[in-house]
Amino acid sequence: AQSVSQHNHHVILSEAASLELGCNYSYGGTVNLFWYVQYPGQHLQLLLKYFSGDPLVKGIKGFEAEFIKSKFSFNLRKPSVQWSDTAEYFCAVTSGGSYIPTFGRGTSLIVHP
Amino acid sequence: KAGVTQTPRYLIKTRGQQVTLSCSPISGHRSVSWYQQTPGQGLQFLFEYFSETQRNKGNFPGRFSGRQFSNSRSEMNVSTLELGDSALYLCASSLEQIGADTQYFGPGTRLTVL
Repeated sequence: AQSVSQHNHHVILSEAASLELGCNYSYGGTVNLFWYVQYPGQHLQLLLKYFSGDPLVKGIKGFEAEFIKSKFSFNLRKPSVQWSDTAEYFCAVTSGGSYIPTFGRGTSLIVHP
Repeated sequence: KAGVTQTPRYLIKTRGQQVTLSCSPISGHRSVSWYQQTPGQGLQFLFEYFSETQRNKGNFPGRFSGRQFSNSRSEMNVSTLELGDSALYLCASSLEQIGADTQYFGPGTRLTVL
C-alpha cells in the first residue's frame, strides 16, 4: 500500500525566510502528486499538483514543488514566506492507476512577522 | 459559484447512536468523496460516489456507509458510533474523477462521540 511521509511536523519561520517542506512516498510506479493547504479557519484547498511533464511545478501564492522520481520525493518550496502562509500543509499521492489519494500527516507552519 | 457545503457543522452523539452527515457539492460536480481527519491518523479516504454509485472505497468498517442522490448531493452514515469515530469529516467534490480533477473541500463536520 502507498504511504506518504511528511517528516517535518512543525516548522516555525520568520517572515522572508525560505521554506522547504519534505514529502516522500513509497510507491515506485506512476504517481500523481498534490500539495494542499489549510489556512486557519478555512477549507482545505489545492496548492499545486503534478501529473506529468516538467518536474518543477508552480502553484498559487508563489509556491513550487519539485518531483524527484529517484528520491520518491515531492518537496514544497517558497523562497520567501509571509505571515499569511501560516497554515497546515498536506502532501497527497495517487498511484498505480488508483484514484484514491493517500495523504501525509501534515506539516504545521507558523510564520512570525 | 458556491463552494462545497456540509451540514451540520458540529455534532455531539453518544456511543451506540447513529449519525447522518450531508454534503452538497459544487454545481456541476459529479464526484463526491468523504474523508475522516483525526490528529492520530491524519486524513483518510472513506469512499467516493459518482453518478449515485460508490466508485471507490477506503479501508473502513461497514458501519460507515454513504449514498449519492441524482442531484449529486451526498450523505454519509455512521451506525453504532464508537468513541474512536470522533473526528472531522470532510467532503470533497470534483468534476469527474478524484485524483485527476481538482478536489474542492468543504468546511467539514466535527463529530464528537461521548
